[in-house]
Amino acid sequence: QVQLGQSGAEVKKPGASVTVSCKASGYTFSNYYINWVRQAPGQGLEWMGIINPNGATTVYTQKFQGRVTMTRDTSTSTVYMQLSSLRSEDTAVYYCARSRDGYNPHRGFDYWGQGTLVTVSS
Amino acid sequence: QSVLTQPPSVSAAPGQKVTISCSGSSSSIGNNYVSWYQQLPGTAPKLLIYDTTKRPSGIPDRFSGSKSGTSATLGITGLQTGDEADYYCATWDFSLNAYVFGTGTKVTVL
Repeated sequence: QVQLGQSGAEVKKPGASVTVSCKASGYTFSNYYINWVRQAPGQGLEWMGIINPNGATTVYTQKFQGRVTMTRDTSTSTVYMQLSSLRSEDTAVYYCARSRDGYNPHRGFDYWGQGTLVTVSS
Repeated sequence: QSVLTQPPSVSAAPGQKVTISCSGSSSSIGNNYVSWYQQLPGTAPKLLIYDTTKRPSGIPDRFSGSKSGTSATLGITGLQTGDEADYYCATWDFSLNAYVFGTGTKVTVL
């Protein structure tokens, strides 16, 4: 079955960087885009960007441009999201989510990782 | 701040029906497919509706989606206690070049 398994919780100091991983299994990794979505405590969902594992092209939302980098390792079917220059407002649960349509990635996210809590605190 | 507006909360008794509205614009809902997600407390979101009206395998037909102009609606009939959750609409926004989520609606079963 399709699964997205994420790395464990992180605690970082302001100004540091964090990398969250998302390992895909149960399907052909290169055929489906992976998105990153975050949720601050008690808040709603916020889309950060998307990566096409086939070619590694990315689109980042303007809010995170310059601070976020999404990469993939096809040998391990893993996608990575690195967020730099962390501030307290980046404290959130970070989810990876698969686009259900391999041709149009914006037609819904059908599988989600379990989430990774990133806490930014001095 | 989100460009898709939802009511903060809706409620109804078990067995009743609720509808959740999602208001957007011509650059978002007006010209794109809409998805709906259910997020139970402490869990990852789950896809309920895609392509505005379609249900993934395993989602009961108590859940339905529709769209008119720049607004979309999620309907839940035969409300159950297990439906208590936060619900989010989402779509692509051409002007922002971003996938956007609604503000979220908490459903309470009285």
